[in-house]
Amino acid sequence: GAVVSQHPSWVICKSGTSVKIECRSLDFQATTMFWYRQFPKQSLMLMATSNEGSKATYEQGVEKDKFLINHASLTLSTLTVTSAHPEDSSFYICSASSTLGNSPLHFGNGTRLTVT
Amino acid sequence: GDSVTQMEGPVTLSEEAFLTINCTYTATGYPSLFWYVQYPGEGLQLLLKATKADDKGSNKGFEATYRKETTSFHLEKGSVQVSDSAVYFCALRNTDKLIFGTGTRLQVFP
Repeated sequence: GAVVSQHPSWVICKSGTSVKIECRSLDFQATTMFWYRQFPKQSLMLMATSNEGSKATYEQGVEKDKFLINHASLTLSTLTVTSAHPEDSSFYICSASSTLGNSPLHFGNGTRLTVT
Repeated sequence: GDSVTQMEGPVTLSEEAFLTINCTYTATGYPSLFWYVQYPGEGLQLLLKATKADDKGSNKGFEATYRKETTSFHLEKGSVQVSDSAVYFCALRNTDKLIFGTGTRLQVFP
């Protein structure tokens, strides 16, 4: 149980275009979803927290107009990287939780974004 | 604020060697503690967890004990395999956010 599906697994786009990444909880309802960014050989940096039906909460230093997050249902959250630039190239990972508090998060397999 | 500190890698071991990856944390209240593993090119998989002091999490031969007195959650395995080569992340969750350590790369050679 507790499967999180992330799509696409990799994407290459041209500078200036926008890219949408989907994160779905397949067998549970995710009240909260988290988006992380991981640079090569580094830890995961939390970008934002999204709750179904409300605006995402962004971490300090993350541009909310550049990284648009939508959590339209209890099973789907999307991250759109707008007007992508090469410095946005990274590994993006979503995670989801069915409960608040201290239960573990379940992670998608990540999306490798390369902006040329 | 809450934080997690884990030993820097890489940790390089021969197959069947004993593994310890140190992890300490700083947190208010009573966080839950986790170890996640990331294989190359993949997302994170929950390896084990402990939700209160003195709990021992275990899975696939890995163990970690929640030590409140030393604020530690060290990961151990008695005999590593080549297939254990991956990056291991210690993490805590206190309210909603999951806070990660920097990760420790384990390389196991035959």
